[in-house]
Amino acid sequence: AQTVTQSQPEMSVQEAETVTLSCTYDTSENNYYLFWYKQPPSRQMILVIRQEAYKQQNATENRFSVNFQKAAKSFSLKISDSQLGDTAMYFCAFMKGSGGGADGLTFGKGTHLIIQP
Amino acid sequence: DGGITQSPKYLFRKEGQNVTLSCEQNLNHDAMYWYRQDPGQGLRLIYYSQIVNDFQKGDIAEGYSVSREKKESFPLTVTSAQKNPTAFYLCASRRGVSSGNTIYFGEGSWLTVV
Repeated sequence: AQTVTQSQPEMSVQEAETVTLSCTYDTSENNYYLFWYKQPPSRQMILVIRQEAYKQQNATENRFSVNFQKAAKSFSLKISDSQLGDTAMYFCAFMKGSGGGADGLTFGKGTHLIIQP
Repeated sequence: DGGITQSPKYLFRKEGQNVTLSCEQNLNHDAMYWYRQDPGQGLRLIYYSQIVNDFQKGDIAEGYSVSREKKESFPLTVTSAQKNPTAFYLCASRRGVSSGNTIYFGEGSWLTVV
């Protein structure tokens, strides 16, 4: 079974600062996918960024980037130039590659990120 | 618009009552999922379905049932056997491996026991 650990229950930074959210995972799989989802107060789960484990290059989506360390089983999210709208719960999630990801995502417990004006 | 529609947004259940949460998607995704979210927790998998007329139990299936009679629809029934059903429920569907293997979510349904 896979486990995902987010060690920071809550973080708070000033607007325009850079913030890094941590995530570690445990798996015996070699082929898998990793995701960061954002959940604002509306509770809608929004995909932020995804990473295929076989790709060495770290994924980037505008202000969001990841630091994927496969050997260390670490998958941190960096948000640059943080904005008030980034305030949300952020969940790290794991999906097995075997079986085509059929059995879905395993989630961490989340990090509540607060962007202060 | 393409997407995943969950209804109702808010639902109240009396003790001993079964209730059904609806989930419809028009994304032509084969796989669909139900997750439960409790305060301060991540999401936990209840049931999932890869194809029509087939589904599997997730980590917390006890007290829940599902059906998958159509590709577009994956309703979740919360039965009276579920002792603590008050939670936020999220339905999701997954694009195939060739399209990025990514899971997308509906807007969720709140269920409260009264």
